Amino acid sequence: GAGVSQSPSNKVTEKGKDVELRCDPISGHTALYWYRQSLGQGLEFLIYFQGNSAPDKSGLPSDRFSAERTGGSVSTLTIQRTQQEDSAVYLCASSPSSGADTQYFGPGTRLTVL
Amino acid sequence: GESVGLHLPTLSVQEGDNSIINCAYSNSASDYFIWYKQESGKGPQFIIDIRSNMDKRQGQRVTVLLNKTVKHLSLQIAATQPGDSAVYFCAENPSSGNTPLVFGKGTRLSVIA
Repeated sequence: GAGVSQSPSNKVTEKGKDVELRCDPISGHTALYWYRQSLGQGLEFLIYFQGNSAPDKSGLPSDRFSAERTGGSVSTLTIQRTQQEDSAVYLCASSPSSGADTQYFGPGTRLTVL
Repeated sequence: GESVGLHLPTLSVQEGDNSIINCAYSNSASDYFIWYKQESGKGPQFIIDIRSNMDKRQGQRVTVLLNKTVKHLSLQIAATQPGDSAVYFCAENPSSGNTPLVFGKGTRLSVIA
């Protein structure tokens, strides 16, 4: 089946605008993760959804960041009042069940805040 | 705090030689480790994994070694090819259960033709 997909692939926005990034996980995967990757850097964990449990939001850098996962499948990461330091690649991953499973990544959304 | 790290940020290897990418971890409770490969403009791609009850696991041209005594993980790539040029990340699961993986900073592998 298809892998993890993300949209848009690229997003350019002006400072202060809100943006929504979408992730479609692999069908049947109950766990979904969002990461941020700045240029030439490693992966920064943002948020983790596991089934119907409350999400682990411990990695969200500020209250401008939020995410939801509807129907246990598609997830949307929302960044309000974007700042230039939000510019990065936002990666989504899914895994069959728990955090101990292999995570499969999407291609990412490259966000540029002007 | 406990974290996953890498010994070398960049590695240049001649085509055909073997590559060794190293990773140190500090959480002795970690029970699962993964190596990912990330090519430019793409998301990380799973290469190979290993659980803490093993010390070696082999795939196609890749071998992962786990030394729990010194908390060290390595990825060996045999007969390195230009297509192996990428950033390689190690990741650990710091505890059993529903916790996200912790990723290292990454090592850039450059293959010289």
